Amino acid sequence: GAGVSQSPSNKVTEKGKDVELRCDPISGHTALYWYRQRLGQGLEFLIYFQGNSAPDKSGLPSDRFSAERTGESVSTLTIQRTQQEDSAVYLCASSPPAGSNTEAFFGQGTRLTVV
Amino acid sequence: AQSVAQPEDQVNVAEGNPLTVKCTYSVSGNPYLFWYVQYPNRGLQFLLKYITGDNLVKGSYGFEAEFNKSQTSFHLKKPSALVSDSALYFCAVRDRAGGSYIPTFGRGTSLIVHP
Repeated sequence: GAGVSQSPSNKVTEKGKDVELRCDPISGHTALYWYRQRLGQGLEFLIYFQGNSAPDKSGLPSDRFSAERTGESVSTLTIQRTQQEDSAVYLCASSPPAGSNTEAFFGQGTRLTVV
Repeated sequence: AQSVAQPEDQVNVAEGNPLTVKCTYSVSGNPYLFWYVQYPNRGLQFLLKYITGDNLVKGSYGFEAEFNKSQTSFHLKKPSALVSDSALYFCAVRDRAGGSYIPTFGRGTSLIVHP
């Protein structure tokens, strides 16, 4: 596609349920990033993929969070046993090979609300 | 470690006046620097970047930014603000030489342009 696509755009879930958030990066972009943006806050780094590998998972806030990427394309962020503090906008971004000087391209985000 | 500071949570300016949104950074090596804009319920859109060369960088929508190595700053500027410039602005840094390919973002500055 022309840009980074995220789905769903909005997700309301009950506390304790699992959710999956999907990101389709720009074709050919080998680097993929997940960030979390809480209301009124900046961007919090979660995880970075280079190809299908995740060399940096340091931002994942707990073991309830996991992510994978397949085919050097689609990525899924999974949150298990959701808590109210997980409510946020989850942003995905992609860029050409890491180490290059190009900017990251962002999707529209998934707004997650845990009730 | 790399970090970004945006010292102002909010900047208010009258339409037609010049605007400045401040950003300072910290990296161990030399930086790549970026500015993004976020409109309500949207993802981040790239505005401009500093890679190397001329310290004054021009970007989209009439915005520009000046890289100042001695002050470790990369302030965003526009000579004449428009009401439609009202949005959330993020500065980001990536260390050119470091092992992390992950952009670090500031907390964001809300720009409000009054008619």
